[in-house]
Amino acid sequence: EPEVTQTPSHQVTQMGQEVILRCVPISNHLYFYWYRQILGQKVEFLVSFYNNEISEKSEIFDDQFSVERPDGSNFTLKIRSTKLEDSAMYFCASSLTSGRFIRSAQYFGPGTRLLVL
Amino acid sequence: KQEVTQIPAALSVPEGENLVLNCSFTDSAIYNLQWFRQDPGKGLTSLLLIQSSQREQTSGRLNASLDKSSGRSTLYIAASQPGDSATYLCAVKGAQKLVFGQGTRLTINP
Repeated sequence: EPEVTQTPSHQVTQMGQEVILRCVPISNHLYFYWYRQILGQKVEFLVSFYNNEISEKSEIFDDQFSVERPDGSNFTLKIRSTKLEDSAMYFCASSLTSGRFIRSAQYFGPGTRLLVL
Repeated sequence: KQEVTQIPAALSVPEGENLVLNCSFTDSAIYNLQWFRQDPGKGLTSLLLIQSSQREQTSGRLNASLDKSSGRSTLYIAASQPGDSATYLCAVKGAQKLVFGQGTRLTINP
């Protein structure tokens, strides 16, 4: 069964450093998402991406964040200058469509655990 | 702003029992609702998606109901097994994003 994959599974970085989190969405999916989950808190939406553009972003997704689909398979989240509060599990997700119907179900990757020291 | 609440936060039941997990949301203008399972330190596994026009959706021992007008959904698990132990999350969908509840941590005791 097709699945979303993410690399690395764990990343430790120093405050102020740049990190790039990588995702390979399900191959025929068209909509891509990043979410994060700070330890003990709810899963929070960061950004959605369609047709090589950001289609929606949350207040969390400020200028230090960026997303890119550099080729036909990868989807990346870059954090330019990490802060302590960026420590979280970051999940990539993809869906075939958006909207109301069953094909809009979002499928999540296993996550990247980011620790900022 | 959409808020999603799940009650109870934790539930422990003996193996074989039927159980119900609850999810409520504040804004009934949703596209659909998804139930997920999360194992400790792992990703989210999609269990069921129920469209805003549907009342119920079933998959194996799982049955999800949706009452959009009252802002409620339930996940019914029949004949629970120890392997069902996990955190169950509900999430409601607006145009693009999912808004998640805090989850119910379920423990099934052998």
